[in-house]
Amino acid sequence: DAGVTQSPTHLIKTRGQQVTLRCSPKSGHDTVSWYQQALGQGPQFIFQYYEEEERQRGNFPDRFSGHQFPNYSSELNVNALLLGDSALYLCASSLVLALSTDTQYFGPGTRLTVL
Amino acid sequence: AQSVTQLDSHVSVSEGTPVLLRCNYSSSYSPSLFWYVQHPNKGLQLLLKYTSAATLVKGINGFEAEFKKSETSFHLTKPSAHMSDAAEYFCVVSVADYKLSFGAGTTVTVRA
Repeated sequence: DAGVTQSPTHLIKTRGQQVTLRCSPKSGHDTVSWYQQALGQGPQFIFQYYEEEERQRGNFPDRFSGHQFPNYSSELNVNALLLGDSALYLCASSLVLALSTDTQYFGPGTRLTVL
Repeated sequence: AQSVTQLDSHVSVSEGTPVLLRCNYSSSYSPSLFWYVQHPNKGLQLLLKYTSAATLVKGINGFEAEFKKSETSFHLTKPSAHMSDAAEYFCVVSVADYKLSFGAGTTVTVRA
């Protein structure tokens, strides 16, 4: 059973460019959350998708947007990249979170470097 | 708003000795609490979670944590550290809005 997969593994962009990161959830999961982990810090919640809709959003600007497809996979898009967007981007999947105790399973992440 | 504070940014132990990672939480509601581990270049792995069923929670790889409401704490322990325990550990809280709020992390090094 494949776990959460993310692509690409690493990415280098320059300021002002746009980037798209991809995530495939664990088999059977329908909810995808995205997190940003800056170097030396804990992950910060960006947003969560369920039934192709953004369900929750953290304190991130509109430059960060996402999408969920009918097969539950998801994309994270970041426009007008800033140096401060350099981070590890983590995707987590779960079944619809009826309870806050439901476990979220994390992928290995995409390392984004903005030059 | 819910949050967690990890009291130690770095913990160093000798192999075979106990490990204690401290976490305090702040929440207006009954919280769900988790400990995750992150090995270098690997994804986050769930060690254990508190779901209000029992205050002492056992997890994988010999780790356990005790929920103490009176102290608003959820400390992680392991009786005997192994070299493979060297990693970053995160205490995490989740409330009704389902998003996870992570602590800043504790780096564990294990000396041979």
